[in-house]
Amino acid sequence: QQPVQSPQAVILREGEDAVINCSSSKALYSVHWYRQKHGEAPVFLMILLKGGEQKGHEKISASFNEKKQQSSLYLTASQLSYSGTYFCGTERVKAAGNKLTFGGGTRVLVKP
Amino acid sequence: DTEVTQTPKHLVMGMTNKKSLKCEQHMGHRAMYWYKQKAKKPPELMFVYSYEKLSINESVPSRFSPECPNSSLLNLHLHALQPEDSALYLCASNDGNSNQPQHFGDGTRLSIL
Repeated sequence: QQPVQSPQAVILREGEDAVINCSSSKALYSVHWYRQKHGEAPVFLMILLKGGEQKGHEKISASFNEKKQQSSLYLTASQLSYSGTYFCGTERVKAAGNKLTFGGGTRVLVKP
Repeated sequence: DTEVTQTPKHLVMGMTNKKSLKCEQHMGHRAMYWYKQKAKKPPELMFVYSYEKLSINESVPSRFSPECPNSSLLNLHLHALQPEDSALYLCASNDGNSNQPQHFGDGTRLSIL
């Protein structure tokens, strides 16, 4: 099943914060976050494994609530470069190769 | 520039043509992936190869035929495609572990006439 992302779109002013959520109805093994700009390849941001550990990369961080099967991506003090579509990819079981199922995406637009 | 190279970048073909998409990586990754992405939609997994063997086929129509000649190369052979197969085809690779990211190529934009 495809994970559900919310919101579908968000518009920010430079310097503002935002939270993107990714929810699954099934137990997850890992959650991967990617950002894709128009006409480009998805770019890896971070991976959350079950255990609830929060990861961070500069001013973008994420958490994974294993009980709720929900991951959240936090954009802090957003920059113009943060614009793009954010996808969460979920993995239900550990298998040969990662079978990722991506959510519908959240379109983020950061304005000056 | 990405470390996963896909060729061609664009492909236009008729429904009766046979063509192939190529993906190459030299990062020593042992898992390679094909995804299909329609406009404004997320990537959808098609195939996974692990150690050069097909490990996942997401019920993809037989008009798409993957091939992994060696650990660095992944092909997708196309035959008798339909207009609805027009999409961006993305290749990715990693070492197959859940704690490692998938590295995506820039994709091949395919148009079926």
